[in-house]
Amino acid sequence: DAGVIQSPRHEVTEMGQEVTLRCKPISGHNSLFWYRQTMMRGLELLIYFNNNVPIDDSGMPEDRFSAKMPNASFSTLKIQPSEPRDSAVYFCASSGSGAYNEQFFGPGTRLTVL
Amino acid sequence: GENVEQHPSTLSVQEGDSAVIKCTYSDSASNYFPWYKQELGKGPQLIIDIRSNVGEKKDQRIAVTLNKTAKHFSLHITETQPEDSAVYFCAASTRSNYQLIWGAGTKLIIKP
Repeated sequence: DAGVIQSPRHEVTEMGQEVTLRCKPISGHNSLFWYRQTMMRGLELLIYFNNNVPIDDSGMPEDRFSAKMPNASFSTLKIQPSEPRDSAVYFCASSGSGAYNEQFFGPGTRLTVL
Repeated sequence: GENVEQHPSTLSVQEGDSAVIKCTYSDSASNYFPWYKQELGKGPQLIIDIRSNVGEKKDQRIAVTLNKTAKHFSLHITETQPEDSAVYFCAASTRSNYQLIWGAGTKLIIKP
């Protein structure tokens, strides 16, 4: 199994530009999580999908952030417009059904907004 | 809501010595406590977990203990090796909520 796949691995953009991060979860997993990691705030859950449906998006910072999961094998996190304070590493993770399932993390996307 | 506190933020130990990282949680309904290891440039990876019906769990050089009364749990690494250098995160969740509440992380440094 290839594990969770994220693209791009690195993204450098200018303030005001639209950024789209992509994630392919592990086949058969029905839960998907988007996290943001910074030195200041640690690991923050942005949004959680279950069976392609957003269950909790209370961690999404503001309306500039949006996430979609059109099918079980693909999710996107979009930032429009981007700001320098959005610079962080964004992780996607997936897990199987059940309450005590391991979350498998992707390698992350390092976003730098200039 | 649940809150997880993790200490210390940085831990430096001599190779071969033991390391202990401690976490406390606030929600008495929490019943699942995983520990993740994050190596440089990678995503966190589960190394061990414990459920609330168990007081201790071991896997080779790592062990986790849980004190439900005091609402704290700890990660113990014995005979530390250079490859143990990483950031370690504790987390907590309840069965009714699949989401994990994460600690702030501990940077473990193994000195040669």
